[in-house]
Amino acid sequence: QKEVEQNSGPLSVPEGAIASLNCTYSDRGSQSFFWYRQYSGKSPELIMSIYSNGDKEDGRFTAQLNKASQYVSLLIRDSQPSDSATYLCALNPTGGGNKLTFGTGTQLKVEL
Amino acid sequence: NAGVMQNPRHLVRRRGQEARLRCSPMKGHSHVYWYRQLPEEGLKFMVYLQKENIIDESGMPKERFSAEFPKEGPSILRIQQVVRGDSAAYFCASSPLPGDTDTQYFGPGTRLTVL
Repeated sequence: QKEVEQNSGPLSVPEGAIASLNCTYSDRGSQSFFWYRQYSGKSPELIMSIYSNGDKEDGRFTAQLNKASQYVSLLIRDSQPSDSATYLCALNPTGGGNKLTFGTGTQLKVEL
Repeated sequence: NAGVMQNPRHLVRRRGQEARLRCSPMKGHSHVYWYRQLPEEGLKFMVYLQKENIIDESGMPKERFSAEFPKEGPSILRIQQVVRGDSAAYFCASSPLPGDTDTQYFGPGTRLTVL
Protein backbone atom coordinates (compact mmCIF):
# COMPACT_ATOMS: atom_id res chain seq x y z
CA GLN A 1 0.00 0.00 0.00
CA LYS A 2 1.33 3.42 -0.94
CA GLU A 3 1.83 5.84 1.92
CA VAL A 4 -0.24 8.53 0.20
CA GLU A 5 -2.72 7.57 -2.49
CA GLN A 6 -4.42 9.81 -4.98
CA ASN A 7 -6.41 9.08 -8.10
CA SER A 8 -4.22 10.25 -10.98
CA GLY A 9 -7.17 11.47 -13.01
CA PRO A 10 -7.65 13.42 -15.07
CA LEU A 11 -10.63 14.80 -13.23
CA SER A 12 -12.67 16.95 -15.58
CA VAL A 13 -15.18 19.48 -14.25
CA PRO A 14 -17.04 22.28 -16.02
CA GLU A 15 -16.21 25.88 -15.23
CA GLY A 16 -18.10 27.05 -12.15
CA ALA A 17 -18.55 23.59 -10.71
CA ILE A 18 -17.09 22.16 -7.50
CA ALA A 19 -13.98 20.03 -7.92
CA SER A 20 -13.42 17.38 -5.27
CA LEU A 21 -9.94 15.94 -4.86
CA ASN A 22 -9.32 13.05 -2.52
CA CYS A 23 -6.35 11.54 -0.76
CA THR A 24 -5.95 8.58 1.59
CA TYR A 25 -2.92 7.77 3.70
CA SER A 26 -1.59 4.78 5.59
CA ASP A 27 0.32 6.35 8.49
CA ARG A 28 -2.28 6.75 11.21
CA GLY A 29 0.05 8.88 13.31
CA SER A 30 0.47 11.64 10.72
CA GLN A 31 -0.43 15.05 12.09
CA SER A 32 0.23 17.56 9.33
CA PHE A 33 -1.35 17.56 5.90
CA PHE A 34 -0.85 19.80 2.90
CA TRP A 35 -2.28 20.44 -0.52
CA TYR A 36 0.02 21.78 -3.20
CA ARG A 37 -0.85 22.83 -6.75
CA GLN A 38 1.66 22.18 -9.52
CA TYR A 39 1.30 23.54 -13.01
CA SER A 40 3.07 21.61 -15.75
CA GLY A 41 6.79 22.34 -15.68
CA LYS A 42 6.50 24.46 -12.54
CA SER A 43 7.17 24.00 -8.84
CA PRO A 44 4.63 22.99 -6.18
CA GLU A 45 2.71 25.92 -4.74
CA LEU A 46 1.16 25.60 -1.28
CA ILE A 47 -2.62 25.93 -1.23
CA MET A 48 -3.64 24.73 2.21
CA SER A 49 -2.35 23.11 5.35
CA ILE A 50 -4.61 21.29 7.80
CA TYR A 51 -3.82 19.76 11.16
CA SER A 52 -7.16 19.09 12.88
CA ASN A 53 -10.17 17.01 11.99
CA GLY A 54 -12.88 18.93 10.18
CA ASP A 55 -12.96 21.61 7.53
CA LYS A 56 -10.64 24.53 6.86
CA GLU A 57 -11.70 27.16 4.36
CA ASP A 58 -9.58 29.68 2.48
CA GLY A 59 -11.35 31.55 -0.28
CA ARG A 60 -12.61 29.07 -2.88
CA PHE A 61 -10.66 26.23 -1.28
CA THR A 62 -11.80 23.95 1.54
CA ALA A 63 -9.61 21.22 3.00
CA GLN A 64 -11.26 18.41 4.92
CA LEU A 65 -9.48 16.03 7.26
CA ASN A 66 -10.77 12.83 8.83
CA LYS A 67 -8.00 11.14 10.79
CA ALA A 68 -10.17 8.19 11.80
CA SER A 69 -10.75 7.33 8.15
CA GLN A 70 -7.23 8.44 7.16
CA TYR A 71 -8.68 10.67 4.51
CA VAL A 72 -8.01 14.24 3.42
CA SER A 73 -9.76 16.09 0.63
CA LEU A 74 -9.69 19.42 -1.17
CA LEU A 75 -12.79 21.10 -2.54
CA ILE A 76 -12.48 23.88 -5.09
CA ARG A 77 -15.62 25.93 -5.49
CA ASP A 78 -16.47 27.91 -8.63
CA SER A 79 -13.71 26.14 -10.55
CA GLN A 80 -11.88 28.24 -13.12
CA PRO A 81 -9.80 27.18 -16.13
CA SER A 82 -6.79 28.60 -14.26
CA ASP A 83 -7.33 25.90 -11.63
CA SER A 84 -6.33 23.28 -14.20
CA ALA A 85 -3.20 21.73 -12.71
CA THR A 86 -1.97 18.72 -10.79
CA TYR A 87 -2.88 18.75 -7.11
CA LEU A 88 -0.48 17.07 -4.73
CA CYS A 89 -1.45 15.74 -1.34
CA ALA A 90 1.39 15.62 1.19
CA LEU A 91 1.84 14.74 4.82
CA ASN A 92 4.46 14.94 7.50
CA PRO A 93 4.62 11.33 8.73
CA THR A 94 4.88 10.19 12.33
CA GLY A 95 8.32 11.08 13.61
CA GLY A 96 9.02 12.20 10.08
CA GLY A 97 11.12 15.17 11.03
CA ASN A 98 9.61 17.33 8.33
CA LYS A 99 10.36 15.08 5.39
CA LEU A 100 7.12 15.39 3.47
CA THR A 101 5.62 12.34 1.80
CA PHE A 102 3.76 13.15 -1.39
CA GLY A 103 1.11 11.43 -3.41
CA THR A 104 1.57 11.24 -7.16
CA GLY A 105 -1.07 13.90 -7.68
CA THR A 106 -4.45 14.28 -9.32
CA GLN A 107 -4.66 16.12 -12.61
CA LEU A 108 -7.61 18.52 -12.70
CA LYS A 109 -9.02 19.90 -15.92
CA VAL A 110 -11.58 22.69 -15.75
CA GLU A 111 -13.42 22.93 -19.03
CA LEU A 112 -15.11 25.97 -20.52
CA ASN B 1 11.94 38.50 -4.20
CA ALA B 2 11.67 36.95 -0.74
CA GLY B 3 10.89 33.47 -2.06
CA VAL B 4 13.08 30.38 -2.25
CA MET B 5 15.69 30.82 -4.96
CA GLN B 6 17.31 28.07 -6.97
CA ASN B 7 19.90 28.16 -9.68
CA PRO B 8 20.50 27.21 -12.31
CA ARG B 9 16.95 26.69 -13.52
CA HIS B 10 18.13 24.33 -16.24
CA LEU B 11 21.33 22.31 -16.24
CA VAL B 12 22.64 20.01 -18.94
CA ARG B 13 25.44 17.61 -18.18
CA ARG B 14 27.06 14.72 -19.99
CA ARG B 15 27.37 11.35 -18.33
CA GLY B 16 30.23 11.34 -15.85
CA GLN B 17 30.24 15.07 -15.19
CA GLU B 18 29.36 16.75 -11.92
CA ALA B 19 26.18 18.71 -11.25
CA ARG B 20 25.94 21.42 -8.59
CA LEU B 21 22.52 22.74 -7.68
CA ARG B 22 22.13 25.75 -5.41
CA CYS B 23 19.33 26.86 -3.14
CA SER B 24 18.83 29.99 -1.06
CA PRO B 25 15.98 29.66 1.44
CA MET B 26 13.23 32.16 1.98
CA LYS B 27 14.25 35.09 4.19
CA GLY B 28 13.91 34.14 7.83
CA HIS B 29 13.94 30.40 7.12
CA SER B 30 16.71 28.27 8.50
CA HIS B 31 15.63 24.82 7.30
CA VAL B 32 16.24 23.52 3.80
CA TYR B 33 14.90 20.39 2.14
CA TRP B 34 15.74 18.84 -1.21
CA TYR B 35 13.25 16.78 -3.22
CA ARG B 36 13.53 15.03 -6.56
CA GLN B 37 10.74 14.59 -9.08
CA LEU B 38 11.39 12.01 -11.74
CA PRO B 39 9.30 12.17 -14.93
CA GLU B 40 5.76 10.94 -14.29
CA GLU B 41 6.54 10.29 -10.61
CA GLY B 42 5.81 12.06 -7.35
CA LEU B 43 8.12 14.22 -5.33
CA LYS B 44 10.56 12.22 -3.22
CA PHE B 45 12.36 13.55 -0.17
CA MET B 46 16.14 13.50 -0.38
CA VAL B 47 17.70 15.47 2.48
CA TYR B 48 16.93 17.94 5.27
CA LEU B 49 19.54 20.45 6.40
CA GLN B 50 20.02 23.30 8.79
CA LYS B 51 23.00 25.64 8.74
CA GLU B 52 26.15 23.50 8.94
CA ASN B 53 24.14 20.38 9.84
CA ILE B 54 22.58 17.51 7.95
CA ILE B 55 19.47 16.59 9.92
CA ASP B 56 18.13 13.73 7.79
CA GLU B 57 19.64 12.30 4.61
CA SER B 58 17.60 9.11 4.54
CA GLY B 59 16.35 9.83 1.03
CA MET B 60 19.73 10.41 -0.54
CA PRO B 61 21.21 7.73 -2.79
CA LYS B 62 24.17 6.16 -1.03
CA GLU B 63 26.67 7.05 -3.70
CA ARG B 64 27.46 10.12 -5.80
CA PHE B 65 25.02 12.44 -4.02
CA SER B 66 25.91 14.89 -1.27
CA ALA B 67 24.44 18.03 0.23
CA GLU B 68 25.61 20.87 2.40
CA PHE B 69 24.29 24.08 3.88
CA PRO B 70 27.28 26.17 4.96
CA LYS B 71 27.22 28.96 7.50
CA GLU B 72 27.46 31.47 4.69
CA GLY B 73 25.93 31.02 1.27
CA PRO B 74 23.36 28.77 -0.32
CA SER B 75 22.68 25.10 0.18
CA ILE B 76 24.36 22.92 -2.43
CA LEU B 77 23.18 19.58 -3.79
CA ARG B 78 26.07 17.89 -5.54
CA ILE B 79 25.78 14.94 -7.89
CA GLN B 80 29.04 13.38 -8.99
CA GLN B 81 29.50 11.30 -12.12
CA VAL B 82 25.96 11.87 -13.32
CA VAL B 83 24.07 9.14 -15.15
CA ARG B 84 21.00 9.41 -17.36
CA GLY B 85 18.80 8.21 -14.51
CA ASP B 86 19.67 11.39 -12.60
CA SER B 87 17.68 13.43 -15.12
CA ALA B 88 14.87 14.96 -13.08
CA ALA B 89 13.56 18.14 -11.53
CA TYR B 90 15.24 18.92 -8.23
CA PHE B 91 13.28 21.13 -5.89
CA CYS B 92 14.45 22.90 -2.79
CA ALA B 93 12.03 23.91 -0.05
CA SER B 94 12.48 25.92 3.12
CA SER B 95 10.62 26.34 6.37
CA PRO B 96 10.96 28.57 9.45
CA LEU B 97 12.30 27.60 12.83
CA PRO B 98 10.90 24.43 14.40
CA GLY B 99 7.89 24.92 16.59
CA ASP B 100 6.63 27.68 14.37
CA THR B 101 5.19 25.83 11.44
CA ASP B 102 6.28 22.83 9.43
CA THR B 103 4.93 24.29 6.21
CA GLN B 104 7.45 24.11 3.42
CA TYR B 105 7.69 26.53 0.54
CA PHE B 106 9.21 25.40 -2.71
CA GLY B 107 11.63 27.08 -5.05
CA PRO B 108 11.27 27.05 -8.85
CA GLY B 109 13.42 23.95 -9.21
CA THR B 110 16.43 22.94 -11.28
CA ARG B 111 15.75 20.72 -14.23
CA LEU B 112 18.74 18.48 -14.79
CA THR B 113 19.20 16.77 -18.13
CA VAL B 114 21.95 14.20 -18.49
CA LEU B 115 22.97 13.47 -22.05
